[in-house]
Amino acid sequence: EPEVTQTPSHQVTQMGQEVILRCVPISNHLYFYWYRQILGQKVEFLVSFYNNEISEKSEIFDDQFSVERPDGSNFTLKIRSTKLEDSAMYFCASKGDDTEAFFGQGTRLTVV
Amino acid sequence: RKEVEQDPGPFNVPEGATVAFNCTYSNSASQSFFWYRQDCRKEPKLLMSVYSSGNEDGRFTAQLNRASQYISLLIRDSKLSDSATYLCVPYTGRRALTFGSGTRLQVQP
Repeated sequence: EPEVTQTPSHQVTQMGQEVILRCVPISNHLYFYWYRQILGQKVEFLVSFYNNEISEKSEIFDDQFSVERPDGSNFTLKIRSTKLEDSAMYFCASKGDDTEAFFGQGTRLTVV
Repeated sequence: RKEVEQDPGPFNVPEGATVAFNCTYSNSASQSFFWYRQDCRKEPKLLMSVYSSGNEDGRFTAQLNRASQYISLLIRDSKLSDSATYLCVPYTGRRALTFGSGTRLQVQP
């Protein structure tokens, strides 16, 4: 069964550093998403991406964040100058035209 | 007003029990819904889609009541592995899904 894969599974970074979270969506999917979940809280939408551009973003997704699909397969989330409150699980998801959204297993980001 | 509202629980039930969750929604134009389950520190996984009045898959039955604007999920013969948070999510087409806090189920031996 096709799946969304995310790397790394766990990333520890120092406050102020930049991190890049990577995702490989399902190959024939067209819509890509990043979500985050702070421990003990609900899953929150960050950004959606379609046709090589951002189609929607939440107020969480400020200038600190950026997304890219550099090579037609990877879909990355970059967080610049990380803060302690960026510590969370980050989930990537992808969706086809007539499919539900499939989620990756997540990257646990710990900012110390 | 929140798009969906669910009782956060936890619902503590013994193995083998039948348990039901309700989810009320505010947008009367919503046509379809999903039930996702999420295990602790794991990704949400689709459990069932509800496109018309209901859907059944093994021990799981979902029903959609448009007049009263609620969706229910019934789990029969609960297993320990059913312990998770259950999330009611409106279908949004291409747009991102919006998750609430869900209902936590704990099945006890």
